[in-house]
Amino acid sequence: GQNIDQPTEMTATEGAIVQINCTYQTSGFNGLFWYQQHAGEAPTFLSYNVLDGLEEKGRFSSFLSRSKGYSYLLLKELQMKDSASYLCAIDSGGGADGLTFGKGTHLIIQP
Amino acid sequence: NAGVMQNPRHLVRRRGQEARLRCSPMKGHSHVYWYRQLPEEGLKFMVYLQKENIIDESGMPKERFSAEFPKEGPSILRIQQVVRGDSAAYFCASSPVIGLAYNNEQFFGPGTRLTVL
Repeated sequence: GQNIDQPTEMTATEGAIVQINCTYQTSGFNGLFWYQQHAGEAPTFLSYNVLDGLEEKGRFSSFLSRSKGYSYLLLKELQMKDSASYLCAIDSGGGADGLTFGKGTHLIIQP
Repeated sequence: NAGVMQNPRHLVRRRGQEARLRCSPMKGHSHVYWYRQLPEEGLKFMVYLQKENIIDESGMPKERFSAEFPKEGPSILRIQQVVRGDSAAYFCASSPVIGLAYNNEQFFGPGTRLTVL
């Protein structure tokens, strides 16, 4: 079966750093995605991890540990516009199936 | 370079009517995925199509739901005899040819919000 867990909601302060965790148990694994979704809008791609380690891209970084079934998204220098839902998604393999998404973490940024 | 396009953006139907949702993938993309997002829920995979072929429909309900991606024109998700529980946001995503893509990144459209009265 497929199971992806993320916290439902997190709150952080403008200018600070926040880490959003994702744990997963899936039948196959080809890679892990993080998407950002503002209310009422389409998910937009943030990062993709296929190998263990940290991928840095500007203010956003994503980490993966395949042996632990664990990933996190790290957001630095938080801005009010970062208030959104952050979706962890697994590509189970082959590209033939759709991505399996977690329920998303709703991040609230306070001034 | 237009992104994934979906129409209509909002659709209201009464119980028992039919809903047709359209998706035009990004230029050069031949793979289309449909997802459903219920309120407070994550995106759920429904169906994966290539031109004129359904590759995987394991996430789509067996009754009332169908999808197609004809040789010409957009992909269509069709829901017959809609019920209130069908109210959700339906997202379409597209990806380029497998094997040539850097990853299986899927580009999402803006979604169609279906409300069943």
